[in-house]
Amino acid sequence: EVRLEESGGGLVQPGTSLRLSCAALGFHFDDYAMHWVRQAPGKGLEWVASISRNSVSVGYADSVKGRFTISRDDAKGSLYLQMNSLSTDDTALYYCAKDSNSWVSHMDVWGKGTTVTVSS
Amino acid sequence: DIQMTQSPSSLSASVGDRVTITCRASQGIRNDLAWYQQKPGKAPTRLIYSSSSLQSGVPSRFSGSGSGTEFTLTISSLQPEDFATYYCLQHNSYPFIFGPGTKVEIK
Repeated sequence: EVRLEESGGGLVQPGTSLRLSCAALGFHFDDYAMHWVRQAPGKGLEWVASISRNSVSVGYADSVKGRFTISRDDAKGSLYLQMNSLSTDDTALYYCAKDSNSWVSHMDVWGKGTTVTVSS
Repeated sequence: DIQMTQSPSSLSASVGDRVTITCRASQGIRNDLAWYQQKPGKAPTRLIYSSSSLQSGVPSRFSGSGSGTEFTLTISSLQPEDFATYYCLQHNSYPFIFGPGTKVEIK
């Protein structure tokens, strides 16, 4: 069974940093592209970032470009999102999602998410 | 950037009704469009990919169509478990964009 388990969320102050992790289980992690998607309370889905197999291609939403970094450790079967200069607008449930393909395409399986709250 | 509009933003329907949701892209995206269903408090699940391919395990009452700039998700006979919010996603080019969502409620 394919499973994605996010961790690292929490309550942080504006201007600080946080690193999210996603553990991939039940599939060959290094064969697939991966994504982060977030959902602010009561709002719709917002794509955050994507990374291809072998990290050849990465992409970011304009709202996080320059502040967030997506990365992967294939040896550990893990996906990461380093989030710097956090603002209250970054408060959301952050989902890790697996792609259908090795290149960046779209999400087929999602984790349950980890909550990030940015507040003073 | 490609913009995505989705209509309606919400609808009220009865069990057995045929429901159609439309997504429009501001420029052509070939068939690089997926549909997701999200129930309250749950992660989204994929229904349709490549505009019209049905995810394995998804009931055949769900179907998708379209190419270029206009896409539709159709539920041929609405069932109680289909009441949820539906999102389209364009993944043709960065930045990927989700539609604003369509909330399907019980009439």
